[in-house]
Amino acid sequence: QQPVQSPQAVILREGEDAVINCSSSKALYSVHWYRQKHGEAPVFLMILLKGGEQKGHEKISASFNEKKQQSSLYLTASQLSYSGTYFCGTTPHFGNEKLTFGTGTRLTIIP
Amino acid sequence: DVKVTQSSRYLVKRTGEKVFLECVQDMDHENMFWYRQDPGLGLRLIYFSYDVKMKEKGDIPEGYSVSREKKERFSLILESASTNQTSMYLCASSPMTSEYNEQFFGPGTRLTVL
Repeated sequence: QQPVQSPQAVILREGEDAVINCSSSKALYSVHWYRQKHGEAPVFLMILLKGGEQKGHEKISASFNEKKQQSSLYLTASQLSYSGTYFCGTTPHFGNEKLTFGTGTRLTIIP
Repeated sequence: DVKVTQSSRYLVKRTGEKVFLECVQDMDHENMFWYRQDPGLGLRLIYFSYDVKMKEKGDIPEGYSVSREKKERFSLILESASTNQTSMYLCASSPMTSEYNEQFFGPGTRLTVL
Protein backbone atom coordinates (compact mmCIF):
# COMPACT_ATOMS: atom_id res chain seq x y z
CA GLN A 1 0.00 0.00 0.00
CA GLN A 2 1.35 3.38 -1.02
CA PRO A 3 2.17 6.01 1.61
CA VAL A 4 -0.19 8.97 1.61
CA GLN A 5 1.20 12.42 0.89
CA SER A 6 -0.38 15.71 1.84
CA PRO A 7 -1.12 18.17 0.53
CA GLN A 8 -1.59 16.94 -3.03
CA ALA A 9 -0.69 20.38 -4.37
CA VAL A 10 0.39 23.72 -2.97
CA ILE A 11 1.14 27.15 -4.42
CA LEU A 12 3.52 29.48 -2.61
CA ARG A 13 5.09 32.85 -3.18
CA GLU A 14 8.86 33.08 -3.17
CA GLY A 15 10.17 33.26 0.36
CA GLU A 16 7.28 31.41 1.96
CA ASP A 17 7.66 28.13 3.80
CA ALA A 18 6.11 24.76 3.03
CA VAL A 19 5.70 21.44 4.78
CA ILE A 20 5.01 18.23 2.87
CA ASN A 21 3.87 15.19 4.80
CA CYS A 22 4.18 11.47 4.14
CA SER A 23 2.23 8.94 6.16
CA SER A 24 2.31 5.15 6.08
CA SER A 25 0.03 2.51 7.56
CA LYS A 26 3.02 0.17 7.98
CA ALA A 27 6.07 0.26 10.22
CA LEU A 28 8.95 1.95 8.45
CA TYR A 29 12.72 1.59 8.45
CA SER A 30 13.49 4.46 6.12
CA VAL A 31 11.89 7.35 4.29
CA HIS A 32 13.37 8.80 1.11
CA TRP A 33 12.47 12.13 -0.47
CA TYR A 34 12.84 12.95 -4.17
CA ARG A 35 11.98 15.98 -6.29
CA GLN A 36 10.98 15.78 -9.92
CA LYS A 37 10.96 18.90 -12.05
CA HIS A 38 8.68 18.99 -15.06
CA GLY A 39 10.05 16.79 -17.84
CA GLU A 40 13.02 15.62 -15.79
CA ALA A 41 14.04 12.58 -13.77
CA PRO A 42 13.37 12.44 -10.03
CA VAL A 43 16.38 13.57 -8.01
CA PHE A 44 17.34 12.43 -4.53
CA LEU A 45 16.91 14.94 -1.70
CA MET A 46 17.14 13.09 1.59
CA ILE A 47 17.03 9.76 3.39
CA LEU A 48 15.87 9.39 6.99
CA LEU A 49 16.43 6.18 8.90
CA LYS A 50 14.81 4.63 11.91
CA GLY A 51 17.00 5.60 14.85
CA GLY A 52 17.57 9.13 13.70
CA GLU A 53 20.28 8.96 11.07
CA GLN A 54 19.81 10.96 7.93
CA LYS A 55 21.66 11.95 4.81
CA GLY A 56 20.74 14.69 2.43
CA HIS A 57 21.36 18.09 0.96
CA GLU A 58 22.29 20.86 3.31
CA LYS A 59 19.41 23.16 2.47
CA ILE A 60 16.73 20.53 2.92
CA SER A 61 15.42 19.44 6.30
CA ALA A 62 13.03 16.70 7.26
CA SER A 63 11.78 14.74 10.22
CA PHE A 64 10.81 11.11 10.78
CA ASN A 65 8.38 10.10 13.50
CA GLU A 66 8.90 6.34 13.81
CA LYS A 67 5.99 5.80 16.17
CA LYS A 68 3.51 7.46 13.85
CA GLN A 69 5.14 6.19 10.63
CA GLN A 70 5.22 9.74 9.35
CA SER A 71 7.78 12.00 7.77
CA SER A 72 7.68 15.67 6.94
CA LEU A 73 9.81 17.65 4.49
CA TYR A 74 10.44 21.29 5.36
CA LEU A 75 11.11 23.82 2.63
CA THR A 76 11.98 27.20 4.11
CA ALA A 77 12.31 30.53 2.32
CA SER A 78 11.22 28.84 -0.91
CA GLN A 79 12.87 29.74 -4.20
CA LEU A 80 11.55 29.43 -7.74
CA SER A 81 13.87 26.45 -8.22
CA TYR A 82 11.95 24.50 -5.55
CA SER A 83 9.01 24.05 -7.90
CA GLY A 84 8.30 20.45 -8.85
CA THR A 85 6.64 17.32 -7.61
CA TYR A 86 7.92 15.84 -4.38
CA PHE A 87 7.72 12.12 -3.71
CA CYS A 88 8.35 10.19 -0.56
CA GLY A 89 9.45 6.57 -0.80
CA THR A 90 9.47 4.13 2.09
CA THR A 91 11.09 0.82 3.03
CA PRO A 92 9.80 -1.44 5.82
CA HIS A 93 13.13 -2.83 7.04
CA PHE A 94 16.89 -2.72 6.56
CA GLY A 95 18.04 -4.65 3.52
CA ASN A 96 14.83 -4.08 1.61
CA GLU A 97 15.97 -2.34 -1.54
CA LYS A 98 12.53 -1.63 -2.91
CA LEU A 99 10.91 1.73 -2.33
CA THR A 100 7.15 2.20 -2.19
CA PHE A 101 6.46 5.71 -3.41
CA GLY A 102 3.65 8.04 -2.47
CA THR A 103 1.45 9.73 -5.05
CA GLY A 104 3.37 12.99 -4.94
CA THR A 105 2.91 16.62 -3.91
CA ARG A 106 3.04 19.27 -6.62
CA LEU A 107 4.70 22.45 -5.39
CA THR A 108 4.47 25.64 -7.43
CA ILE A 109 6.48 28.70 -6.42
CA ILE A 110 5.41 31.99 -7.92
CA PRO A 111 7.37 35.26 -7.93
CA ASP B 1 28.99 12.40 -13.51
CA VAL B 2 26.88 9.36 -12.72
CA LYS B 3 24.36 8.48 -15.30
CA VAL B 4 21.34 6.35 -16.06
CA THR B 5 20.29 6.42 -19.68
CA GLN B 6 17.17 5.11 -21.39
CA SER B 7 17.03 4.18 -25.03
CA SER B 8 14.18 6.48 -26.07
CA ARG B 9 12.50 9.57 -24.67
CA TYR B 10 9.34 9.01 -26.71
CA LEU B 11 7.95 5.85 -28.25
CA VAL B 12 4.73 5.15 -30.14
CA LYS B 13 3.63 1.55 -30.67
CA ARG B 14 0.53 -0.28 -31.82
CA THR B 15 -1.59 -2.63 -29.75
CA GLY B 16 -0.18 -6.14 -29.81
CA GLU B 17 3.39 -5.13 -30.67
CA LYS B 18 6.32 -6.39 -28.62
CA VAL B 19 8.09 -3.45 -27.00
CA PHE B 20 11.58 -3.26 -25.53
CA LEU B 21 12.65 -0.47 -23.23
CA GLU B 22 16.36 -0.36 -22.47
CA CYS B 23 18.16 1.11 -19.50
CA VAL B 24 21.92 1.43 -18.97
CA GLN B 25 23.78 2.68 -15.88
CA ASP B 26 27.48 3.50 -15.61
CA MET B 27 27.81 3.41 -11.82
CA ASP B 28 28.44 -0.33 -11.37
CA HIS B 29 25.27 -0.58 -9.28
CA GLU B 30 23.92 -3.96 -8.32
CA ASN B 31 20.26 -2.92 -8.10
CA MET B 32 18.12 -1.75 -10.99
CA PHE B 33 14.44 -0.90 -11.09
CA TRP B 34 11.63 -0.24 -13.55
CA TYR B 35 8.77 2.05 -12.54
CA ARG B 36 5.78 3.42 -14.33
CA GLN B 37 4.52 6.89 -13.54
CA ASP B 38 0.89 7.90 -14.06
CA PRO B 39 -0.87 11.12 -12.99
CA GLY B 40 -2.21 10.85 -9.47
CA LEU B 41 -0.62 7.45 -8.87
CA GLY B 42 3.00 8.40 -8.33
CA LEU B 43 5.75 5.91 -9.17
CA ARG B 44 4.83 2.25 -9.05
CA LEU B 45 7.43 -0.51 -9.14
CA ILE B 46 7.10 -2.99 -11.99
CA TYR B 47 10.23 -5.12 -11.52
CA PHE B 48 13.46 -5.05 -9.56
CA SER B 49 16.80 -6.76 -10.23
CA TYR B 50 19.51 -7.15 -7.58
CA ASP B 51 22.06 -8.98 -9.73
CA VAL B 52 22.64 -10.27 -13.22
CA LYS B 53 19.89 -12.69 -14.19
CA MET B 54 18.11 -12.09 -10.85
CA LYS B 55 14.74 -10.37 -10.66
CA GLU B 56 11.80 -9.82 -8.38
CA LYS B 57 8.28 -8.73 -9.16
CA GLY B 58 7.23 -5.35 -7.98
CA ASP B 59 3.72 -4.10 -7.31
CA ILE B 60 2.40 -4.17 -10.88
CA PRO B 61 4.27 -6.84 -12.91
CA GLU B 62 1.31 -8.07 -14.96
CA GLY B 63 1.87 -7.65 -18.68
CA TYR B 64 5.61 -7.03 -18.29
CA SER B 65 8.79 -9.05 -18.18
CA VAL B 66 12.44 -8.06 -17.70
CA SER B 67 15.89 -9.15 -18.71
CA ARG B 68 19.26 -8.49 -17.11
CA GLU B 69 22.08 -10.22 -18.95
CA LYS B 70 24.75 -7.70 -17.99
CA LYS B 71 25.19 -5.73 -14.80
CA GLU B 72 24.86 -2.35 -16.46
CA ARG B 73 21.78 -3.09 -18.56
CA PHE B 74 18.18 -3.77 -17.55
CA SER B 75 15.45 -4.22 -20.13
CA LEU B 76 11.69 -3.98 -19.73
CA ILE B 77 9.62 -6.00 -22.18
CA LEU B 78 5.97 -5.60 -23.05
CA GLU B 79 5.16 -8.90 -24.73
CA SER B 80 1.95 -7.62 -26.32
CA ALA B 81 1.43 -3.92 -25.77
CA SER B 82 -2.01 -2.72 -24.76
CA THR B 83 -3.46 0.78 -24.55
CA ASN B 84 -3.52 0.66 -20.73
CA GLN B 85 0.27 0.44 -20.84
CA THR B 86 0.49 3.96 -22.17
CA SER B 87 2.57 5.67 -19.52
CA MET B 88 5.90 7.20 -18.53
CA TYR B 89 8.47 4.52 -17.72
CA LEU B 90 11.37 5.32 -15.43
CA CYS B 91 14.46 3.24 -14.81
CA ALA B 92 16.60 3.63 -11.68
CA SER B 93 19.67 2.08 -10.11
CA SER B 94 21.18 1.95 -6.64
CA PRO B 95 24.17 0.32 -4.95
CA MET B 96 23.75 -2.88 -2.95
CA THR B 97 22.52 -2.16 0.51
CA SER B 98 24.33 0.35 2.44
CA GLU B 99 22.15 2.24 4.82
CA TYR B 100 21.77 5.01 2.29
CA ASN B 101 20.53 3.30 -0.84
CA GLU B 102 19.83 6.39 -2.88
CA GLN B 103 18.26 5.66 -6.25
CA PHE B 104 19.46 7.36 -9.42
CA PHE B 105 16.83 7.78 -12.13
CA GLY B 106 16.98 7.92 -15.88
CA PRO B 107 15.13 10.61 -17.88
CA GLY B 108 12.18 8.36 -18.65
CA THR B 109 10.50 6.96 -21.75
CA ARG B 110 7.02 8.18 -22.59
CA LEU B 111 5.30 5.27 -24.27
CA THR B 112 2.07 5.67 -26.21
CA VAL B 113 0.22 2.54 -27.32
CA LEU B 114 -2.35 3.15 -30.04
